[in-house]
Amino acid sequence: QVQLQESGPGLVKPSQTLSLTCNVSGGSISTGGYYWTWIRQFPGKGLEWIGYTDYSGSTYYNPALKSRVTISVDTSRNHFSLRLTGGTAADTAVYYCARTGYCMGGRCYRFDYWGQGALVTVSA
Amino acid sequence: DIVMTQSPLSLPVTPGESASISCRSSQSLLHRNGDNHLDWYLQKPGQSPQLLIYLGSFRASGVPDRISGSGTGTDFTLKISRVEAEDVGVYYCMQGLQAPLTFGGGTKVEIK
Repeated sequence: QVQLQESGPGLVKPSQTLSLTCNVSGGSISTGGYYWTWIRQFPGKGLEWIGYTDYSGSTYYNPALKSRVTISVDTSRNHFSLRLTGGTAADTAVYYCARTGYCMGGRCYRFDYWGQGALVTVSA
Repeated sequence: DIVMTQSPLSLPVTPGESASISCRSSQSLLHRNGDNHLDWYLQKPGQSPQLLIYLGSFRASGVPDRISGSGTGTDFTLKISRVEAEDVGVYYCMQGLQAPLTFGGGTKVEIK
């Protein structure tokens, strides 16, 4: 059974970088065939797709966030990470990592495993 | 971006009865290969979203057959037959046809 677990600071100051890691257990990222994704949920409960990486480090980002986002993968540690620069209050959200086996370019579907989520608050 | 619109916002249901949720997209989600790129997710209270339906009508592993998805193009429906207490939560539709992936605003299902 694949499990995903987010970790990282829960509080980030405005203009600073938000960094999170998703640890994957029960399966190896380096096996390939999957797309490791970040999705966030705002306090009002709306969901926003951030982007994904595959095992090789190939990425695809939401165009609205592309200038601020980096998603990277570390197969030796079996985790992938999110960096979001220039944090503002609008980035306050619960951040989820998720897995899908079905992406083609920016088109993805069938997110079958999700982490429990990590709340990140951007505030002074 | 493709805009996803769900209705109703809230849906009180009596156990044992049926419930339907509508999801409409601002553009057709029908891929040239015939698949509709529309997923349904359920977020139970205090939990992360879980996959129910993908490609419009395919049930995810472990999802009971009283939950079904239908529709094509821009109009989709999630039907829950014989509602049970475990079905409460917020249901979201998501389009996967075009980046960025976008979600509906959610429909909260609660027991009367």
